[in-house]
Amino acid sequence: GQNIDQPTEMTATEGAIVQINCTYQTSGFNGLFWYQQHAGEAPTFLSYNVLDGLEEKGRFSSFLSRSKGYSYLLLKELQMKDSASYLCAVRDGEYKLSFGAGTTVTVRA
Amino acid sequence: KAGVTQTPRYLIKTRGQQVTLSCSPISGHRSVSWYQQTPGQGLQFLFEYFSETQRNKGNFPGRFSGRQFSNSRSEMNVSTLELGDSALYLCASSGAESYEQYFGPGTRLTVT
Repeated sequence: GQNIDQPTEMTATEGAIVQINCTYQTSGFNGLFWYQQHAGEAPTFLSYNVLDGLEEKGRFSSFLSRSKGYSYLLLKELQMKDSASYLCAVRDGEYKLSFGAGTTVTVRA
Repeated sequence: KAGVTQTPRYLIKTRGQQVTLSCSPISGHRSVSWYQQTPGQGLQFLFEYFSETQRNKGNFPGRFSGRQFSNSRSEMNVSTLELGDSALYLCASSGAESYEQYFGPGTRLTVT
C-alpha cells in the first residue's frame, strides 16, 4: 500500500504564510495532488505536480521532489477562508489515488 | 456546466441491508471514481470506472461493488451493511485532463 504523511494540524495568523509538508512512499509514481476540503464540503482540487519543482497558482504554490518523496503546499497571504483541511494525494504506478489523513489549518485574526 | 451530483445526500440504513448510491459526472467526463471518507481512515479509494469498465479497485471487500452506464452515470452498491460502513461516500469525475478530479457533495450513509 501507500504511505503518505502530513502534519495533523497547523495554526497561523491572517496575512502570514504556512507551509504544509507531505512525504510519501508509493509503488510507482504518476503525480501528486493537493486538495482543499472545508468542513462538511467535498474536496476541491488545488494543484498537481508530476515533475520536480515549484508550481505556482495565485496565493498557493506546490513543490515536488520525487527523489525525496516530498512535497509541500505553500499558502501565502492567509485569509480566514483558508481555514480548512488540506489533503495530499499520490497517484501510484497503477493510477490509484491514495490520500493522506489531511492537515487542518486554522487561520486566526 | 453542472457539477457532479450525488443522490441521495443522506441515508440511514440498518445493519444487514443493502444500499445503492448514484453519481452523475460532469457532462463529457467519462471517468468516475468512488471514495469512502471516515474520521478515522480519511479518504480511501474504492474503485474507478471508465467507459463502463472498472479500471481500478481499492482494498475493500466484495460487498462493495459498482457499475457505470453508457451515459457515464455510476452507481455503487454495498451489500450486507455493517456499522463500520457509516461514512461519507464521495464520487469524483474527470475528463480529458484526467489529473483533475471534481468531487460531488457526497452521500452521508449512517448504518444503525
